[in-house]
Amino acid sequence: DTAVSQTPKYLVTQMGNDKSIKCEQNLGHDTMYWYKQDSKKFLKIMFSYNNKELIINETVPNRFSPKSPDKAHLNLHINSLELGDSAVYFCASSQWLRRGGNTIYFGEGSWLTVV
Amino acid sequence: QQQVKQSPQSLIVQKGGISIINCAYENTAFDYFPWYQQFPGKGPALLIAIRPDVSEKKEGRFTISFNKSAKQFSLHIMDSQPGDSATYFCAANGGSQGNLIFGKGTKLSVKP
Repeated sequence: DTAVSQTPKYLVTQMGNDKSIKCEQNLGHDTMYWYKQDSKKFLKIMFSYNNKELIINETVPNRFSPKSPDKAHLNLHINSLELGDSAVYFCASSQWLRRGGNTIYFGEGSWLTVV
Repeated sequence: QQQVKQSPQSLIVQKGGISIINCAYENTAFDYFPWYQQFPGKGPALLIAIRPDVSEKKEGRFTISFNKSAKQFSLHIMDSQPGDSATYFCAANGGSQGNLIFGKGTKLSVKP
């Protein structure tokens, strides 16, 4: 069973479109994240949710809106897509947030290409 | 401000050699230092981790060395194999910083 699963794996879309990426974890974790990995492989935190509550919201355009219907799901909606949004988006989860020893488990990524 | 600095950016090692990747951190509240391994087309996966109460941790061919006074830690891959070719990320968290802070990654290529 996949611990952190996200869909779609690949997404090619035109500039200006709105798209969503879905994520689910079956680890029973309280905390979920969205990371963005750019072409240089740099992993940057975008959002963190703990028990459906937004905890971390890094400097991300407000075109990006996360939604957590329950603690096992964290979806990412992106409005008015721009060329610079092309990247790999990783969903992840961990047992807790504000404690050390916080192992984060990643999904396989969603490759977003904006044309 | 980059809280975890990783080097080198890329590394080429012959099969059977030792691969060494270094990281330095700034926040003295950090108390958990994992290394993640990422293969092309996959998400990062935890490889090995250490806490600052020990200076070394070994799991198979992978060893973390930790120097608390220097605020540095490193990953050593002994007897490197072509299957080890991947991107490696160091990370840290602790104190009020629950979220992992990642280094910029090292792309390792092990030549047969």
